[in-house]
Amino acid sequence: RKEVEQDPGPFNVPEGATVAFNCTYSNSASQSFFWYRQDCRKEPKLLMSVYSSGNEDGRFTAQLNRASQYISLLIRDSKLSDSATYLCVVRHTGGFKTIFGAGTRLFVKA
Amino acid sequence: GAVVSQHPSWVICKSGTSVKIECRSLDFQATTMFWYRQFPKQSLMLMATSNEGSKATYEQGVEKDKFLINHASLTLSTLTVTSAHPEDSSFYICSAPGLDLRLNEQFFGPGTRLTVL
Repeated sequence: RKEVEQDPGPFNVPEGATVAFNCTYSNSASQSFFWYRQDCRKEPKLLMSVYSSGNEDGRFTAQLNRASQYISLLIRDSKLSDSATYLCVVRHTGGFKTIFGAGTRLFVKA
Repeated sequence: GAVVSQHPSWVICKSGTSVKIECRSLDFQATTMFWYRQFPKQSLMLMATSNEGSKATYEQGVEKDKFLINHASLTLSTLTVTSAHPEDSSFYICSAPGLDLRLNEQFFGPGTRLTVL
């Protein structure tokens, strides 16, 4: 079983739609949580950190449930430019060892 | 924000040759850098942690004699793929943590696409 599991995707949604991605992690040493975005043939870029209290950045809302070891990302009012692969990322306690989920591909159509 | 560069951005080589990839932190010092590999349609897999002035720490299943890592200065780590074979063709990405550990930042290089013929 992979340490970080994500929805397999791909998600095909029309512009303006709301889409949610889920992620689960299995290692209790996971301390920090992030969503990254990766465009084709590019390096991943940090989208947002995820906090236990939940956090929002514009159209993006991230939530963390430590008890269930579950992370989510909600994208509202999808734009064409949101088309990318979204990576769920966890970082272990005491260092910077970072584990990436396999990613969920999102296609936003006009 | 901090910038990490990689060189080359892409390389094509013949099977059996060695390829060196450089990762530089341009405006900050990094005692630790990370090397990842990403195969098509798969996620980034951590290969090793590069430590300035000491030996790298390799993840399980990564051959340290095949993927040589040298972190000779606070701004440069190199990954050498020795005797490369077609199955080594991949996207190699390095990253470095930011100086303020409280921010939990990690800065990625743009990646190096290796194709072994």
